[in-house]
Amino acid sequence: DQQVKQNSPSLSVQEGRISILNCDYTNSMFDYFLWYKKYPAEGPTFLISISSIKDKNEDGRFTVFLNKSAKHLSLHIVPSQPGDSAVYFCAASWDHGNEKLTFGTGTRLTIIP
Amino acid sequence: DVKVTQSSRYLVKRTGEKVFLECVQDMDHENMFWYRQDPGLGLRLIYFSYDVKMKEKGDIPEGYSVSREKKERFSLILESASTNQTSMYLCASRPDRPNTEAFFGQGTRLTVV
Repeated sequence: DQQVKQNSPSLSVQEGRISILNCDYTNSMFDYFLWYKKYPAEGPTFLISISSIKDKNEDGRFTVFLNKSAKHLSLHIVPSQPGDSAVYFCAASWDHGNEKLTFGTGTRLTIIP
Repeated sequence: DVKVTQSSRYLVKRTGEKVFLECVQDMDHENMFWYRQDPGLGLRLIYFSYDVKMKEKGDIPEGYSVSREKKERFSLILESASTNQTSMYLCASRPDRPNTEAFFGQGTRLTVV
């Protein structure tokens, strides 16, 4: 049972344009959501997060939007840069239950120069 | 800076061998995790630990065990390695407070031949 889903395995975006990565979840107990970036042969690195009490969080070029009624979150990267080419994972946790993170299957983002 | 260190970047083992993957974190985090990453499947949780000597099964614990004798160290054990355990193994740690990210090690690419 995949509780966190990323339905697009890959995405290609022109350099300088906006990249939008999507994530859906099924467990309504989730109350904290994160995005991680992963390069090949390295561990994931944390990008940005959002608590369920908010609907938007911004950090430089990265913005995460949360739509609780639709159980959907998205990551916007603008402008996209070649160094953004990586696999992006969304993750969710229920921070008043236990501390584990449940991850999606990932989206490979390729930025075209 | 938080540091999560995995003992090996690359490992090649034979079928049937007992394999130990070690992970150490230096930030006094209560929670530690072992995930494996496979193409198209994302990061799947094998085991986690929320305290010394405490452990809980994740989503795919079969064929694995863990040990946490000290707070900073979390070991993953493959009792009898099989080829379907060829994967990227990722260790993470996370503090025991809400709305915080998990920190990952650099990963161990294990090949079982």
